[in-house]
Amino acid sequence: AQKVTQAQTEISVVEKEDVTLDCVYETRDTTYYLFWYKQPPSGELVFLIRRNSFDEQNEISGRYSWNFQKSTSSFNFTITASQVVDSAVYFCALSDRFGNEKLTFGTGTRLTIIP
Amino acid sequence: GAVVSQHPSWVICKSGTSVKIECRSLDFQATTMFWYRQFPKQSLMLMATSNEGSKATYEQGVEKDKFLINHASLTLSTLTVTSAHPEDSSFYICSATKGAANEKLFFGSGTQLSVL
Repeated sequence: AQKVTQAQTEISVVEKEDVTLDCVYETRDTTYYLFWYKQPPSGELVFLIRRNSFDEQNEISGRYSWNFQKSTSSFNFTITASQVVDSAVYFCALSDRFGNEKLTFGTGTRLTIIP
Repeated sequence: GAVVSQHPSWVICKSGTSVKIECRSLDFQATTMFWYRQFPKQSLMLMATSNEGSKATYEQGVEKDKFLINHASLTLSTLTVTSAHPEDSSFYICSATKGAANEKLFFGSGTQLSVL
């Protein structure tokens, strides 16, 4: 069975600080995909990243970066120089080898950026 | 722009009535759609997998007679909450896939259901 753990329920940081959201996963599949989604107060899910289990390279996209560590089954997400607009709930998710099937979501981390 | 459209965005209904939620793929044919439910401040839980032209596959614990899913075309899946009760109040969100490997999922904007 697949499982995603986001141990941080809520995080608050002052604007411009860096913040890292943790994600630990469990799966028996050798090929799988990991995702991060942002859910602002309006409710929709905003896709942030999709990573194949064979690609352990860290990725940077603007102020966002992701650290994939297969050895520790972690896929952490860092926001640098946080902004108020980053306030949202962030979900880490795991899918099977096809990457487009049903997702197993973590419980989410509510991030609040304090102006 | 949005590639998956979900309607309505919110709905309030009386207990005992039925509510239909639509999920449309706008510029692609979705052979498979997924329905999730999210209770306040909780994670998204998969309810069912909707396959075009066949019966939906429900996750354990989800009542198929209460949550009717119809995927009659390659661009439309509907979720009908029958005889809704206050405990069905939740945020329902759909996702769709083009069906090919390595294609990412597209999510709808969600429907907030409040049953009085």
